[in-house]
Amino acid sequence: SQQGEEDPQALSIQEGENATMNCSYKTSINNLQWYRQNSGRGLVHLILIRSNEREKHSGRLRVTLDTSKKSSSLLITASRAADTASYFCATDGNFNKFYFGSGTKLNVKP
Amino acid sequence: ETGVTQTPRHLVMGMTNKKSLKCEQHLGHNAMYWYKQSAKKPLELMFVYNFKEQTENNSVPSRFSPECPNSSHLFLHLHTLQPEDSALYLCASSPIAGGNQPQHFGDGTRLSIL
Repeated sequence: SQQGEEDPQALSIQEGENATMNCSYKTSINNLQWYRQNSGRGLVHLILIRSNEREKHSGRLRVTLDTSKKSSSLLITASRAADTASYFCATDGNFNKFYFGSGTKLNVKP
Repeated sequence: ETGVTQTPRHLVMGMTNKKSLKCEQHLGHNAMYWYKQSAKKPLELMFVYNFKEQTENNSVPSRFSPECPNSSHLFLHLHTLQPEDSALYLCASSPIAGGNQPQHFGDGTRLSIL
């Protein structure tokens, strides 16, 4: 399977701290995406990083990609209670296929 | 508001019922997707439609029957479902199908099979 696997499965931090989530995948990719899902809601796209990129920023989010290790990380700086959600990485496969991991459940305590 | 609307939000049905899930997107996208999200399992891609044509069927049982009458609407027709089909069904859209396209998701239909 090409599915991304997030690590850790759950993470609990205090507001203001940084949160780091990791994603590993098994086969070559062209793109990797990160999504957030709040409880009872759909997924929201956060950031897309291409295989020829090593790092990308968007606001308080920083994503890195290491294709040699087949891994990516999502860093959320200065976390807020509103960042409490599940975070998923998604890798592209053959043509139209998307592979999501099981997610990291982040809890940011006020 | 994500621009992708799913109805109903909750559905309870017996195994012999027939029902349909509806998805509508107002983003002008040409690709639409159905996903199944079960507890403690990765999100599973079920079907992909690109410009109204089905381009992916991820070995989904025939008791799930998709329909895409136009680029804005997607249906999932359900019949003779099993208890293991209870899950959150998510619809998504993107400008075109492809791994370089961010997907926009609806809030899902929570399906419970009695």
